[in-house]
Amino acid sequence: DAKTTQPPSMDCAEGRAANLPCNHSTISGNEYVYWYRQIHSQGPQYIIHGLKNNETNEMASLIITEDRKSSTLILPHATLRDTAVYYCIVSQLWSQNFVFGPGTRLSVLP
Amino acid sequence: GAVVSQHPSWVICKSGTSVKIECRSLDFQATTMFWYRQFPKQSLMLMATSNEGSKATYEQGVEKDKFLINHASLTLSTLTVTSAHPEDSSFYICSGAELAGLQETQYFGPGTRLLVL
Repeated sequence: DAKTTQPPSMDCAEGRAANLPCNHSTISGNEYVYWYRQIHSQGPQYIIHGLKNNETNEMASLIITEDRKSSTLILPHATLRDTAVYYCIVSQLWSQNFVFGPGTRLSVLP
Repeated sequence: GAVVSQHPSWVICKSGTSVKIECRSLDFQATTMFWYRQFPKQSLMLMATSNEGSKATYEQGVEKDKFLINHASLTLSTLTVTSAHPEDSSFYICSGAELAGLQETQYFGPGTRLLVL
């Protein structure tokens, strides 16, 4: 079973920020939070990962709560091409046996 | 991010034949490679993990004699579906783990869609 819980679907207006939540209340101290997305009929695309500090890259920002029991992926200016299923995964850095849950289906609307 | 390719992107075969799928890391050496499959409207499920030069580790319920994995080098892994049957029709996705400093990140291929008739 996946160690994370995500809402099944979300809508976001084009140009607005998309905030995707993830609960991982049983995360252990040596587990990282990874985010991937899967556009229809393609392989998952790496977005970002983090341990406890907030992270930002050219694609997104990752906000991890202080107790590490939840996180939020932020796409600052969503475009139609960001429509995809977003997966939040927790895994140890050195033992990357990813368990994919159902993810969140994000629909960016014009 | 790092690039992983798969070949073929799709394949149609007759029941009982074997199909080989290649997975290559194009611009990095993958310390570990993974094979997943994804059925329609479902999430990815890990089938096996392989390290270069050693036997693959299969997840529970995945037949190692049916899904043969060869990890010949740090940039190439192959999955052979032996004696394929219609229930093996699925989307097969590989990934490679890239080590950068002390951090390891998994990058996925574009997937191979298999249809067994």
